[in-house]
Amino acid sequence: NAGVTQTPKFRILKIGQSMTLQCTQDMNHNYMYWYRQDPGMGLKLIYYSVGAGITDKGEVPNGYNVSRSTTEDFPLRLELAAPSQTSVYFCASSYPGRQETQYFGPGTRLLVL
Amino acid sequence: LAKTTQPISMDSYEGQEVNITCSHNNIATNDYITWYQQFPSQGPRFIIQGYKTKVTNEVASLFIPADRKSSTLSLPRVSLSDTAVYYCLVGESENNNAGNMLTFGGGTRLMVKP
Repeated sequence: NAGVTQTPKFRILKIGQSMTLQCTQDMNHNYMYWYRQDPGMGLKLIYYSVGAGITDKGEVPNGYNVSRSTTEDFPLRLELAAPSQTSVYFCASSYPGRQETQYFGPGTRLLVL
Repeated sequence: LAKTTQPISMDSYEGQEVNITCSHNNIATNDYITWYQQFPSQGPRFIIQGYKTKVTNEVASLFIPADRKSSTLSLPRVSLSDTAVYYCLVGESENNNAGNMLTFGGGTRLMVKP
């Protein structure tokens, strides 16, 4: 199993541009999550999903959108990039009801200039 | 969600045992204690989980006293490669309420020196 994969690994955006961060897992996990991690800080939950077609906001959802059309994929969309969205983004997944045991992807480093 | 408190940073030397304590005074009856490890430029990795007493695996041991208001992650004979951030999380296992999401605090930055 590849586990949780994320693309791209690194991206530079200009203010106002949009992009989609991709996340795929092959463990058949129903639950998936997006976090952001600013330098020297812990992780903050952006959005999560408990299954295909179901998404909900986390702690810091403003400026982001998600969709969950399949069990495997959980893309994160930035519509109008702002410097405050410069961060490292991690996708994770877990079995249903087992959110304390999450499997993380390698992260996407995003720089907005 | 039970709030956790852990030291911001710790230093150690190769070969020593490292103990990182996490305080969670408001832990609920159904909460489990979970520790994650994060290396630089990588996502967090689950390392150990427990409910009470002691749990040991190939990576670490987790000690939980009877009142469960704290827990201690023990890393035996650390090496340079154990330099990482360690997060203590408290949350309910088998919780199908997806709104009860876990919170990753700042963690403890462990620096292992030669």
